[in-house]
Amino acid sequence: DQQVKQNSPSLSVQEGRISILNCDYTNSMFDYFLWYKKYPAEGPTFLISISSIKDKNEDGRFTVFLNKSAKHLSLHIVPSQPGDSAVYFCAALPAGGTSYGKLTFGQGTILTVHP
Amino acid sequence: NAGVTQTPKFQVLKTGQSMTLQCAQDMNHEYMSWYRQDPGMGLRLIHYSVGAGITDQGEVPNGYNVSRSTTEDFPLRLLSAAPSQTSVYFCASSPRTGTKNQPQHFGDGTRLSIL
Repeated sequence: DQQVKQNSPSLSVQEGRISILNCDYTNSMFDYFLWYKKYPAEGPTFLISISSIKDKNEDGRFTVFLNKSAKHLSLHIVPSQPGDSAVYFCAALPAGGTSYGKLTFGQGTILTVHP
Repeated sequence: NAGVTQTPKFQVLKTGQSMTLQCAQDMNHEYMSWYRQDPGMGLRLIHYSVGAGITDQGEVPNGYNVSRSTTEDFPLRLLSAAPSQTSVYFCASSPRTGTKNQPQHFGDGTRLSIL
């Protein structure tokens, strides 16, 4: 039972264009969402997050949108750069004070940005 | 700063052997977690700890043991290795704060093959 789903295994975009990575979740108890970026042979690194009380959070070239009614979030990267090529994981945290160590991850999307 | 350090980076075991994957963090984080990454499944939580002496099971705990005797260390033990435990294992840590605005920091992983 995959509670966080990234249905696109891969995405290819041209440098300078927008990259849109999608994520869906099924568990209504999730109240905080994060995006991680992972390069080969390295651990995931935190990229951006959003609380369920917001519908948008922006950090430089990265913007995350949350649609609670649709249980859907997306990560927009504008403009995309070749260095953005990596695997992107969507992750979610449940409500509750001791939930910080319990991330639920999606399957990941491989983003390739072509020069 | 070392951050989260995992050892070894690579290991090959025979079925039935036991071993311990080491994880150490130097950030004085209360929360520590172990995940495994398998193709097409993202990262799945094995065990987690909210502080020294306190551990709990995640999504896929069978075949693994953990203990947390110090804040810094969170070893993961495979009791009797099975081919299904072939995976990449990631350790992560995060501070205990009043908000969820403190993402987890990941180590670079241990690639484990069970023959």
